[in-house]
Amino acid sequence: EVQLLESGGGLVQPGGSLRLSCAASGFTFSSYAMSWVRQAPGKGLEWVSTFSVGSTSTYYADSVKGRFTISRDISKNTLYLQMNSLRVEDTAVYYCAKKATTQYGNYFDYWGQGTLVTVSS
Amino acid sequence: DIQMTQSPSSLSASVGDRVSITCRASQGISNYLAWYQQKPGKAPKLLIYAASTLQSGAPSRFSGSGSGTDFTLTISSLQPEDVATYYCQKYNSAPWTFGQGTKVEIK
Repeated sequence: EVQLLESGGGLVQPGGSLRLSCAASGFTFSSYAMSWVRQAPGKGLEWVSTFSVGSTSTYYADSVKGRFTISRDISKNTLYLQMNSLRVEDTAVYYCAKKATTQYGNYFDYWGQGTLVTVSS
Repeated sequence: DIQMTQSPSSLSASVGDRVSITCRASQGISNYLAWYQQKPGKAPKLLIYAASTLQSGAPSRFSGSGSGTDFTLTISSLQPEDVATYYCQKYNSAPWTFGQGTKVEIK
């Protein structure tokens, strides 16, 4: 059974940093691309970042480019999101999601339960 | 970047009604379109991928159609457990943009 467990959220002041973790199990972590998606309170889903597998490329939404860094530790089956220079508008629940690898493309087939990040003074 | 626009933003229907939600891409995305269901306080859950393929375990009353720029999610007979917000998402390439969501309620 695929399981994704996020951690690391909390309250941080504007300009501060936080590192989120996503512990993965139930699948071969090294073989799948992984992503972070966030949801501000009462708002919709916003894709944040993706770590691809084949080329180990990383992708970022314009809203976080230059401030957030996605990475992974295969030995620990864990995905990370290092968030620097945090802004009030980064306040959201952050979900990690596994990307499928199928003939139909790479949609997000499994999601974690999310971790809340609050940026406030 | 390709924008994804859903309509309506919310709807209220009776149990047993047929409900449809549309999603429009600002450029063609072939059939690289997924639908997700998010119940209140829960994580999103994959419902449909490749525009019309039902994810394993999803109820058969859900169906998807469309290709190119125009897509539809249909619930053939609305049930109380379908109360949720539904999101479309393009996944042909980065950025993997979501629609703004459609909130479905029971009348």
